[in-house]
Amino acid sequence: QSALTQPASVSGSPGQSITISCTGTSSDVGSYNLVSWYQQHPGKAPKLMIYEVSKRPSGVSNRFSGSKSGNTASLTISGLQAEDEADYYCCSYAGSSTSLFGGGTKLTVL
Amino acid sequence: QVQLVESGGGVVQPGRSLRLSCAASGFTFSSYGMHWVRQAPGKGLEWVAVIWYDGSNKYYADSVKGRFTISRDNSKNTLYLQMNSLRAEDTAVYYCARDGSGGELWFGPGGQGTLVTVSS
Repeated sequence: QSALTQPASVSGSPGQSITISCTGTSSDVGSYNLVSWYQQHPGKAPKLMIYEVSKRPSGVSNRFSGSKSGNTASLTISGLQAEDEADYYCCSYAGSSTSLFGGGTKLTVL
Repeated sequence: QVQLVESGGGVVQPGRSLRLSCAASGFTFSSYGMHWVRQAPGKGLEWVAVIWYDGSNKYYADSVKGRFTISRDNSKNTLYLQMNSLRAEDTAVYYCARDGSGGELWFGPGGQGTLVTVSS
């Protein structure tokens, strides 16, 4: 059960787009279209931003989008805003009702 | 709206036990699987355990298997995590979350988690 691999940090200027990758294996990300993404601000609980690779919960801005290719999933945030600055985590179903998180990516809005 | 309130954390010595609770409201608790997720200080999220809606099946991360037990009381809308043989590396904020149809986790928007500190 090794964690999914995410870049430690990414940054972008307001209005720009950024993409965060999440690399797993053929046993998790590659096997299931059950990748989700979470936003976490300091001291707060994680918030679901994307589920089932590319679906957005009600209330989440359409500036957030997800995709997957092979063993790698991606989260793209377009039109960066100051309030997007946070930690982002991917999560994949890993079989036998278990889940696996990525190590997290700190997004800095310059 | 999903409301989840964790409690039961505290400071405990290595090798001792602690039981966490998660009070759920805003949804039909007995219809959903539930998860525990933890976050060590300054670290990332780690999935800990899941229990099916009726308690019939339970699954654990390798790091806690054999030491932690997840359970639920659907009559009280409450999820539990019994933690035995605690280690320093179990120190973390523990969150509960509701299972989604696609394996996603729904955390309570106002949830703060409950902090467990394992230290002598």
